[in-house]
Amino acid sequence: EIVLTQSPATLSLSPGERATLSCRASQDVSGYLAWYQQKPGQAPRLLIYDASNRATGIPARFSGSGSGTDFTLTISSLEPEDFALYYCQQRSHWPTFGGGTKVEIK
Amino acid sequence: EVQLLESGGGLVQPGGSLRLSCAASGFTFSSYAMSWVRQAPRKGLEWVSAISGRGGSTSYGDSVKGRFTISRDNSKNTLYLQMNSLRVEDTAVYYCARNLPQTAAAPYNWFDPWGQGTLVTVSS
Repeated sequence: EIVLTQSPATLSLSPGERATLSCRASQDVSGYLAWYQQKPGQAPRLLIYDASNRATGIPARFSGSGSGTDFTLTISSLEPEDFALYYCQQRSHWPTFGGGTKVEIK
Repeated sequence: EVQLLESGGGLVQPGGSLRLSCAASGFTFSSYAMSWVRQAPRKGLEWVSAISGRGGSTSYGDSVKGRFTISRDNSKNTLYLQMNSLRVEDTAVYYCARNLPQTAAAPYNWFDPWGQGTLVTVSS
């Protein structure tokens, strides 16, 4: 099983600031990594697939990068609706998810 | 608009059974593999099971193998999850999700979109 480790667990920022979330894989997953956003009481929503491709309807302030074992989700300027939980997921092997990063209002 | 609507969750005793359903609309259901993903209370996400578009290929996570069975009825655009020998640790919100990309064999996929989820509580 590929373990995905997300850091930090919590990110405290203000609207307008830049958010940088990390996801590290225990083995090489090539570029097969996705990012999801989840708000309280809602299902996860796909943001980024295959490391750097934005899903349909996702704003350009969300971007993904990385390959191999180290990946980053960047939110260039936080909007009020961006404060949420974020998960990474790999599909190189049987799918696994990271433990999540909570982006909270400072 | 692509929509997925789960149903069938509820309270069940340990050792009991439950069948979840997921009604799909807004896309050609039989052309896509589908998955179930669960989330225990205040916990992260865990992929549970996947099935190919025509239903001929299935896969399961280690924690549910031998107890859960995934199936689909493409004539009804519906996905199912039969859960037997339920354990307290199976308590979770169960989401159905469409597998992408279509070119990748299940379960080597990302998931989009997801249904709203149905809560399964296993407790005595």
